[in-house]
Amino acid sequence: QSALTQPPSASGSPGQSVTISCTGTSSDVGAYNFVSWYQQHPGKAPKLMIYEVNKRPSGVPDRFSGSKSGNTASLTVSGLQAEDEADYYCNSYAGTNNLGVFGGGTKLTVL
Amino acid sequence: QVQLQESGPGLVKPSQTLSLTCTVSGDSISSSNNYWSWIRQPPGKGLEWIGYIYYSGSTFYNPSLKSRVTISADTSKNQFSLKLSSVTAADTAVYYCATVGDNISFEYWGQGTLVTVSS
Repeated sequence: QSALTQPPSASGSPGQSVTISCTGTSSDVGAYNFVSWYQQHPGKAPKLMIYEVNKRPSGVPDRFSGSKSGNTASLTVSGLQAEDEADYYCNSYAGTNNLGVFGGGTKLTVL
Repeated sequence: QVQLQESGPGLVKPSQTLSLTCTVSGDSISSSNNYWSWIRQPPGKGLEWIGYIYYSGSTFYNPSLKSRVTISADTSKNQFSLKLSSVTAADTAVYYCATVGDNISFEYWGQGTLVTVSS
């Protein structure tokens, strides 16, 4: 299985919006609406931010949103805040009980 | 709220078997419709899913690690475990246990434990 493709870095100023892409194939991202996004601060465990493409767990600010078009999923962070600076990873179900195709991660910098 | 805690040796010699345990509280691994998973993250690198054990006891492993991985459960202790055989320096990583629900997302995570493979 191949990892999903994410840009290594993204940045924006406080208050701006940033979108991170996650490109897979017709066997994973394009085939299922089971795309999730995780935020990871240094030295901490990842935190679920988006599941099933565009749903937010309780407690996640509505500044975080997800979408999908074809084989590419996206995470948008609106109204950037300093605490949003972190690494972000996407994940997709890949069928036949394969739960875990991850992206390589994107480091989001708040300028 | 489900809580998970990894435990095990922080140092393993090359060619030996890495063994970790995840202790679960706030949910039962035998009665909950969850996948109980292991994920790892080499220092400075991304996440890699290792595999899972389903509440029914069935398992599924990342094809790239399948030949070396065994995940099992001890329902009496509400724990599940990871064994990774024939380790090399490339297996040095922070190992996380996590739950996956029917929304196929890693909802709850342990804090992670660093395992270093070195002689």
